[in-house]
Amino acid sequence: QVQLQESGPGLVNPSQTLSLTCTVSGASISEDNHYWSWVRQPPGKGLEWIAYIYYTGSTYYSPSLKSRVLISLDMSERQFSLTLTSVTAADTAVYYCARLYGGGRNYFEHWGQGTLVTVSS
Amino acid sequence: QSVLTQPPSVAGAPGQRVTISCTGSNSNIGAGYEVHWYQQLPGAAPKLIIYGNNNRPSGVPDRFSGSKSGTSASLAITGLQAEDEADYYCQSYDKSLRDVFGGGTKLTVL
Repeated sequence: QVQLQESGPGLVNPSQTLSLTCTVSGASISEDNHYWSWVRQPPGKGLEWIAYIYYTGSTYYSPSLKSRVLISLDMSERQFSLTLTSVTAADTAVYYCARLYGGGRNYFEHWGQGTLVTVSS
Repeated sequence: QSVLTQPPSVAGAPGQRVTISCTGSNSNIGAGYEVHWYQQLPGAAPKLIIYGNNNRPSGVPDRFSGSKSGTSASLAITGLQAEDEADYYCQSYDKSLRDVFGGGTKLTVL
């Protein structure tokens, strides 16, 4: 079955860059209509979509985060990554990687377990 | 302030039926985009329980059902069980913002 696993530092200093990687197993990265996504959840709060990428390299970003976010894909490693620059305490959250089914439907069908990233000095 | 509005909390006794509403606008639900629902158990990742307004992924009990009308959608849970106690989120697509979530609803089983 599809499995996603997030990895990266659990603590980032304010104003620095947050970098996370998601490793995919049990599915082809290049499967049609499937997009590789990042979603975050601040402690005690709701879910926020960040970005997703298609295997062709097409990228899509949340308008509220677009200026600070970069999503990339390494098909040979079966990984995709998130970079968030100039972080503040407001970026403290559990970050989930997920697979989105597109095709005009856009739902997150598989999720990683999530990784907590704390922004603090 | 979430683009999709959900009640912060709902509650029901075991065996009862509860519904959770999700209200959007003509930029998202009202524009014809589908609504999807996720269940998040304490300390766990979200899990898709309804997609495409009213479809259940394999393994999701038929006690869960979804509906959509106009600019709103609802999740219904019948035969409430203790294991249903969780946070529930709706999600849709918005013309300007792309993929958006509701603020979440905490379901308490009394």
